[in-house]
Amino acid sequence: AQSVSQHNHHVILSEAASLELGCNYSYGGTVNLFWYVQYPGQHLQLLLKYFSGDPLVKGIKGFEAEFIKSKFSFNLRKPSVQWSDTAEYFCAVNAGGYQKVTFGIGTKLQVIP
Amino acid sequence: GAVVSQHPSWVICKSGTSVKIECRSLDFQATTMFWYRQFPKQSLMLMATSNEGSKATYEQGVEKDKFLINHASLTLSTLTVTSAHPEDSSFYICSSRGRVDTEAFFGQGTRLTVV
Repeated sequence: AQSVSQHNHHVILSEAASLELGCNYSYGGTVNLFWYVQYPGQHLQLLLKYFSGDPLVKGIKGFEAEFIKSKFSFNLRKPSVQWSDTAEYFCAVNAGGYQKVTFGIGTKLQVIP
Repeated sequence: GAVVSQHPSWVICKSGTSVKIECRSLDFQATTMFWYRQFPKQSLMLMATSNEGSKATYEQGVEKDKFLINHASLTLSTLTVTSAHPEDSSFYICSSRGRVDTEAFFGQGTRLTVV
């Protein structure tokens, strides 16, 4: 069965600091990987996704994530965060060919001006 | 991205009554719909997966007779919480996807409070 582990549950950063949120999954086969973001009072939105090809994926708002197959990881990064990045971030995995999308527990990011 | 509309956004009901939540994909055909439940400070927990025209597949521990899912068309799925109890109070979120190898799009969620 597929599962997702997010290591940081609550992160507090100052504006302009760099961000890296960890995500590890467990599944031995082909996977599709996602990062979703939920801003306060809003619904989940896709930040970026990986299906195949270049393991370094660029998303919206300056976010990127790198798929490292040997480490079963898909960490989210942003070089310089802004106050508007305050939100909850969810990593998700979908085992290739299956319908089920499994989410991690989420990481609350608080950016202090 | 595609739009998924979930209705109502919040509902309060009396214990013992049933509540229906609708999830519509407005601009694409949702081959698959997912229903999640989110507890405070916890992740989204998948309750069930449904394909248009067929019975939903429920996750372990989810009572299918309590959480009735209907996916009658490619644009509409409903979740009915039957004989609701206070412990069913939660945030319910639907998600829709077209092909298997595409991302899922989420509804706004429904805050259910059973009193």
